[in-house]
Amino acid sequence: GQQLNQSPQSMFIQEGEDVSMNCTSSSIFNTWLWYKQEPGEGPVLLIALYKAGELTSNGRLTAQFGITRKDSFLNISASIPSDVGIYFCAGLKTSYDKVIFGPGTSLSVIP
Amino acid sequence: DAGVIQSPRHEVTEMGQEVTLRCKPISGHNSLFWYRQTMMRGLELLIYFNNNVPIDDSGMPEDRFSAKMPNASFSTLKIQPSEPRDSAVYFCASGGGFQANQPQHFGDGTRLSIL
Repeated sequence: GQQLNQSPQSMFIQEGEDVSMNCTSSSIFNTWLWYKQEPGEGPVLLIALYKAGELTSNGRLTAQFGITRKDSFLNISASIPSDVGIYFCAGLKTSYDKVIFGPGTSLSVIP
Repeated sequence: DAGVIQSPRHEVTEMGQEVTLRCKPISGHNSLFWYRQTMMRGLELLIYFNNNVPIDDSGMPEDRFSAKMPNASFSTLKIQPSEPRDSAVYFCASGGGFQANQPQHFGDGTRLSIL
């Protein structure tokens, strides 16, 4: 079946460092979404990508829709303690398809 | 603005009991999604509705699970009879468009424990 892989599984970084994580699939997706989930809460949408090659920013976050349509990347610049959480990528093949979520990357920021 | 509202936030019940989870989507949103999150399987889509009509329920694990959306502002997910393996966090999300690729807004979830 369709599966998304996220790497790394977890990260422990120092406050102020930049963070990079990615999401890959063996299948082509036409929409990529990045969500962040904090303990006890539901996922919150960070960035939505709809076009191959698209690069979109949201504050210190930047996400890219890979040219091959099989991957996406999320970067966080100058991390701060409130960036802690689990980051999920999600993909859809078509507008009417079910969204598939990756297993998540857990981010811990050491002050 | 009120977000997606789920109730209860926590539910603990004995196996065999009926469980009903409730969701109020964001006003004006056309799509509603039910997800289940566990450590082992991550976030799984169970069912989604558009304009109150179930579009895809292939993620519903078995006949013990059922979902309804009687109107645009309310949906329920029911488990009858419940089993310990149903323990998970259940999320409801709503979206602004017909297409599933429109960004979804999640509630804070219901943490369900079946003893």
